[in-house]
Amino acid sequence: GDSVTQMEGPVTLSEEAFLTINCTYTATGYPSLFWYVQYPGEGLQLLLKATKADDKGSNKGFEATYRKETTSFHLEKGSVQVSDSAVYFCALREGAAGNKLTFGGGTRVLVKP
Amino acid sequence: GAGVSQSPSNKVTEKGKDVELRCDPISGHTALYWYRQSLGQGLEFLIYFQGNSAPDKSGLPSDRFSAERTGGSVSTLTIQRTQQEDSAVYLCASSSRGFNEQFFGPGTRLTVL
Repeated sequence: GDSVTQMEGPVTLSEEAFLTINCTYTATGYPSLFWYVQYPGEGLQLLLKATKADDKGSNKGFEATYRKETTSFHLEKGSVQVSDSAVYFCALREGAAGNKLTFGGGTRVLVKP
Repeated sequence: GAGVSQSPSNKVTEKGKDVELRCDPISGHTALYWYRQSLGQGLEFLIYFQGNSAPDKSGLPSDRFSAERTGGSVSTLTIQRTQQEDSAVYLCASSSRGFNEQFFGPGTRLTVL
């Protein structure tokens, strides 16, 4: 079945550091890929998405590129802020399997001032 | 309301008791999803409703779990004879159509003693 693997946290960074969270997936078809973020005390929010190979999703300074050849969708941000401290989830949606999302285990990111 | 709402926000119950969790989707959203977020299993899909179609129940972990959606709006997730391993945060999401962005509620934290 479909699966998503992302790096385990926690990831601790200083403000203005570069952030990368690795995400790889296994799917039988051509899924859409997502990054969701969960800020402390808040619900899951969609951060960015990409629906086909080589698409780049971007939002709030975060970027991720859909790499079909490496089945990856790594999340990057060039200069993190304390407000980026959150748990980040990589997810896929396999069209043939309906609209359910398959999530990775989540990566907790802590940005220190 | 402006977003997906869930009630109660917290529920503590004794092993063997039945519980009902409620989800109010965003008005006009035809698709509704339940997910579970637990320490051992991460974020996992439970069930998906789309309009008047038969629900996708493929993620329900046992026959103790059931869900219904009345009038195409509010949904109730019922867990019968709760077990300690049912302790988790139960998340509800809705989308305007099956393949559009899913908006998540704040979740119900269930603790089974």
